[in-house]
Parts: sequence; structure tokens; C-alpha cells
Amino acid sequence: EAQVTQNPRYLITVTGKKLTVTCSQNMNHEYMSWYRQDPGLGLRQIYYSMNVEVTDKGDVPEGYKVSRKEKRNFPLILESPSPNQTSLYFCASSNDGTGYNEQFFGPGTRLTVL
Amino acid sequence: AQKITQTQPGMFVQEKEAVTLDCTYDTSDQSYGLFWYKQPSSGEMIFLIYQGSYDEQNATEGRYSLNFQKARKSANLVISASQLGDSAMYFCAMDNGGYNKLIFGAGTRLAVHP
Repeated sequence: EAQVTQNPRYLITVTGKKLTVTCSQNMNHEYMSWYRQDPGLGLRQIYYSMNVEVTDKGDVPEGYKVSRKEKRNFPLILESPSPNQTSLYFCASSNDGTGYNEQFFGPGTRLTVL
Repeated sequence: AQKITQTQPGMFVQEKEAVTLDCTYDTSDQSYGLFWYKQPSSGEMIFLIYQGSYDEQNATEGRYSLNFQKARKSANLVISASQLGDSAMYFCAMDNGGYNKLIFGAGTRLAVHP
């Protein structure tokens, strides 16, 4: 089954404790993104990747890091989480960077930073 | 800058009736794509429908249709014969120059009443 998986689905942590949210897709997609969803703001792109070892900042990259060492994986790293990073996070992938193809979203990771 | 506006924070509709969710967009690009996603209470993002800026006909997918008015920069979603399972948050989005990036509106929460 074609899918994007994220782990963990739920996470409660404390300020400053490094964490990683994993994202994996089995569709051989070149393009992957991370978004965060906040009430009243919709989803905003954090980082994206066009291929292995090629990443770039989205609209809200501060406080986040990403890496793309393998085509299928695109982990999101919070080196020192803060309460304002409490949010619902989505990983997405697509086969075509033009946007004319459907983006496949993971199930979401709900993060709470105390 | 590209922007998506959804002016209806909440809507309700009677079961079996049609409902229109509004979406206006702002872009200086000639080539772009418009998407609608559904987010049920379980949190996942479900792709509903896509409209390309050069598509001359309005997109349709089952009970969903997109009322695309390019001159007015609007891309309203029409749901015909509403069902209880249509109760969810609905997001309008636009691709932004490719690279797997979508610009989202703030969303409209739809409640379908029996």
C-alpha cells in the first residue's frame, strides 16, 4: 500500500530535550516536505527536499533541522524544543515538484512541548 | 506574495443538501494549481480535488466539484448531497512555484446536521 508513515504519532516532551520525528514514504517520491498546523493558520511549510542531500527552508524553518540521506526518509529534528513548537506536524511527499500532482500526507504527529 | 483566504471559519448544512465552501487566492503566477483537502477529527489530510490554472473545465470528483473563476481568483468547493461523514475541516491550498510546497488557507469547519 502506498503510504507516508510518521513516528511517533503523539509526543509529549519538555523544553530543551532533543527529539526526532521520522517520516518514510514507499512510493519512490523525489519531493518531501514538513508542515506544521496551528489553529487559524492552516498548514505552513517548515522544510522541503527535492532529492537526496538536497533540502531547503520553507516558511517557518526556525528551530528545526532536516536531513535527506535516503530517498525514502526525511526526519524532522528539533534540537532544543520550545513550547511554541507545540503543534500538529505533517510530512508529505509527491512525485513531481510542480505541484500538479497530488501530495501524499502522513497521518500527523501531535507534539506537545512543556 | 501568494495567499489563500477562506472567509468562513465554520459552516453547517443539512444532510442531503449542497454546500459551497469559499476560497479566494492571490498570486502573480500564470501557472498554478489549486487543491482542496479534508481533515476529519482523526487528523489525517485527505486529498479531494485539484484544479490547474489552465484547465478550462471545472474539476469534479464524485460529489465534489470545484467552481473555478479565474478572473475573480476564486476556487470554491461544492459538496453535493451532504452526508454526516462530510463533517470535517476543509482546507483550500495552492501550489507555490513547485518544490512540493503548498500554501494553505486557515480552513473551514463544516458540520452536517441530520
